[in-house]
Amino acid sequence: DAGVTQSPTHLIKTRGQQVTLRCSPKSGHDTVSWYQQALGQGPQFIFQYYEEEERQRGNFPDRFSGHQFPNYSSELNVNALLLGDSALYLCASSPDSYGYTFGSGTRLTVV
Amino acid sequence: TQLLEQSPQFLSIQEGENLTVYCNSSSVFSSLQWYRQEPGEGPVLLVTVVTGGEVKKLKRLTFQFGDARKDSSLHITAAQPGDTGLYLCAGARNAGNMLTFGGGTRLMVKP
Repeated sequence: DAGVTQSPTHLIKTRGQQVTLRCSPKSGHDTVSWYQQALGQGPQFIFQYYEEEERQRGNFPDRFSGHQFPNYSSELNVNALLLGDSALYLCASSPDSYGYTFGSGTRLTVV
Repeated sequence: TQLLEQSPQFLSIQEGENLTVYCNSSSVFSSLQWYRQEPGEGPVLLVTVVTGGEVKKLKRLTFQFGDARKDSSLHITAAQPGDTGLYLCAGARNAGNMLTFGGGTRLMVKP
């Protein structure tokens, strides 16, 4: 049974560019959450999607947006990239309970 | 704003020693989870505690949720080099809700 799959695994972008990260949740999970983890810190909640709607949002600017598709997969989009956006972006899926499963993340480097 | 503070931030011990990691908050959580994260990977769920005063054991790991559901601890007995990693606590206000993570405790167990 595949867990949470994220792509790409690594990405290098230039300041001002836009990026799209992708996540396929664990089978049977309908809720997808995105987290940003800066080097040496704990993950920070970006937003959560359920039934193709953004259900909760953390303290992130509007440059961060997302989408959930009917098959529960999700995308995270970041516009006008800043150097400070360099981080590990984690996707977590859950069956709307306490059982979160995280993917291995996408390492984004902005230069 | 809910904040979870973990201590210590770093811990370097010899194989066979015992250790305790603490996770404290001024806010009440409906559940608290502990994760272990290795370099280049996403966090892996170790345990979820939901009842005040609850104690759960996972082999050499013992997890406790405070009576007031504001704090938690992780105790490792006879640490082994395979226990090396980043330990994260995370609280949720309700099932399916966003997770608030602590800053993490980086543990190194030397052979």
